[in-house]
This record gives sequence, C-alpha cells and structure tokens, in this order.
Amino acid sequence: RKEVEQDPGPFNVPEGATVAFNCTYSNSASQSFFWYRQDCRKEPKLLMSVYSSGNEDGRFTAQLNRASQYISLLIRDSKLSDSATYLCVVTDNYGQNFVFGPGTRLSVLP
Amino acid sequence: EPEVTQTPSHQVTQMGQEVILRCVPISNHLYFYWYRQILGQKVEFLVSFYNNEISEKSEIFDDQFSVERPDGSNFTLKIRSTKLEDSAMYFCASSEQGAGNIQYFGAGTRLSVL
Repeated sequence: RKEVEQDPGPFNVPEGATVAFNCTYSNSASQSFFWYRQDCRKEPKLLMSVYSSGNEDGRFTAQLNRASQYISLLIRDSKLSDSATYLCVVTDNYGQNFVFGPGTRLSVLP
Repeated sequence: EPEVTQTPSHQVTQMGQEVILRCVPISNHLYFYWYRQILGQKVEFLVSFYNNEISEKSEIFDDQFSVERPDGSNFTLKIRSTKLEDSAMYFCASSEQGAGNIQYFGAGTRLSVL
C-alpha cells in the first residue's frame, strides 16, 4: 500500500466552483499534516497546515480524520490562480521528514 | 520575506561526473533537508540534517550521496558519480524546528545527467 494516496485527477473546474481533494495515508504514527501547492516546475509552497479540529483559511478548508487516516481540502469560489498541483504531505515515524503524495492537478477554467 | 536559495538553477553534467548542489537555508532555521522530484513523479525525501550531522536518510540516499554544511550559511548535496537516473529536480528545504514544523522549499536545481 502506498504511503500517501490522493485523487488521481486532473480536476478541470470553472471559475467559482467548489472543489474537494481527498488524501489517505498509511502510517498511523504520522503526527503532522499539510497541504502544499506546486506550480509547474516550481517548488512546493505551503498552503496550510491541517489540524485535528479542522481549519479554515479564507476560501480553503482542511479536515483531518485520524481514525480513518484521511485528509481533505476544500476550495470554495475557485480562481484561475488556484490552478496548480495540490500535494498532501504527512510526516514520517520520526515526525520530521515529509512524505509527499503524488499530487492532484487542478485546472480552473475561465 | 526570508527564503531558501539554491544554486545553480540548472546543472548539466556527464554521467560519472561529480556534482555539488548548493543551498542557503533561511538564516534562523536549524533543520535542513534535501528532496528530489523526478519529472512527472512525486517529491521524495533524501536526507535531513541537524546540528552538523545527518538525522535521517532514505534508501535513495546511498553512498554516492553526501551532505555538508561547510560554513555557517551553505548546505550542500554532493553526488559523487552521477547516473542517468539521478536526473531530477533537487529541492532544499529548511525549518525552524524539527518534528511537525513547516518546511520552506527553495526553487530547486534541475540536474540533467547526459
């Protein structure tokens, strides 16, 4: 079983749409969770950390279900600038090193 | 805004040659990392470094790889004898603390082994 799995994508949505990304992880010892975004041929950039209680940052909402080992990201009112690959990231057994999912590509269309 | 800087942005080398990729982490950060991303694939952890020694390394990080912090600012990744399959984007990252801390990534070095 792969360590971090994500929706295969790509997701093509119109501007203003709401889109949800799903992620599952296999290591129950993972302690920290993040969503990063990666533009084509660029570095990963932090979108948001994911907390057990769920958290929101503007149009972005992240949820974590430790029992199911599942993480989600919801983007409301999507913008053209949201077009990118969204990376689900968890920490390994040592709590420090990042394990990346394969990413889900989003294209927001005008 | 402080950032992680990497040089060069693109490195082309012949198979069997040694390459050194350079990184300047964010100045008050204590933990440093190298990741790689083969074109079209996911980002993979290579090595983490703290207090002038390797903390952890993945199975990718074999004897051909080494890391060093030669002075107070630079953090380098050396590949002793490059192979075709080493062609990838190499990202350096740093974090203020260790476990669970946000990591900030440099723009990467694209390594092309011919």
